[in-house]
Amino acid sequence: DQQVKQNSPSLSVQEGRISILNCDYTNSMFDYFLWYKKYPAEGPTFLISISSIKDKNEDGRFTVFLNKSAKHLSLHIVPSQPGDSAVYFCAARTDTGNQFYFGTGTSLTVIP
Amino acid sequence: SQTIHQWPATLVQPVGSPLSLECTVEGTSNPNLYWYRQAAGRGLQLLFYSVGIGQISSEVPQNLSASRPQDRQFILSSKKLLLSDSGFYLCAWGQGYPLTFFGQGTRLTVV
Repeated sequence: DQQVKQNSPSLSVQEGRISILNCDYTNSMFDYFLWYKKYPAEGPTFLISISSIKDKNEDGRFTVFLNKSAKHLSLHIVPSQPGDSAVYFCAARTDTGNQFYFGTGTSLTVIP
Repeated sequence: SQTIHQWPATLVQPVGSPLSLECTVEGTSNPNLYWYRQAAGRGLQLLFYSVGIGQISSEVPQNLSASRPQDRQFILSSKKLLLSDSGFYLCAWGQGYPLTFFGQGTRLTVV
């Protein structure tokens, strides 16, 4: 049962434009959401997070939006750069903090 | 459909004790299997990956070992746990880039 879903396996964006990566979840008990970035042959690295008490968190070129009523999470990258090309994983944590649930990943390609 | 099982969900072990975490995958054959660890405040670190039975690649030197006795079984072990082994361990499988399916993780606390 995939509680966190990333329905787009891949996304291509022109350099300088906005990249929008989407994530949907089913469990209303999730209270903390994270985005990870992964390069080939490396483990995922933490990128940005958001608590369920917020609807937006911004860090430089990266902004995460949370729509709790729709159980939807998105990551915006503006402007996109070729170095952003990687796989992005969405993850959610339960309120007990003991388990993480990961999406299956979206491969972003930023075209120079 | 494919599923991944990882257990136990939480574990508290004394220093010097052995460790065995098990992960099994259902609904697929010959998957790539991975063990990750997330220490407090860090991203996921790849520990081991396997492309087939008996084939294990280690990414970082550590107090841990992995084995794949069957096609869909991946085991993470230690003979003697250290305090620094505490963390959150995730098993994952993949079969086709970039899709990666993660288990629900094991919270290991070494005391």
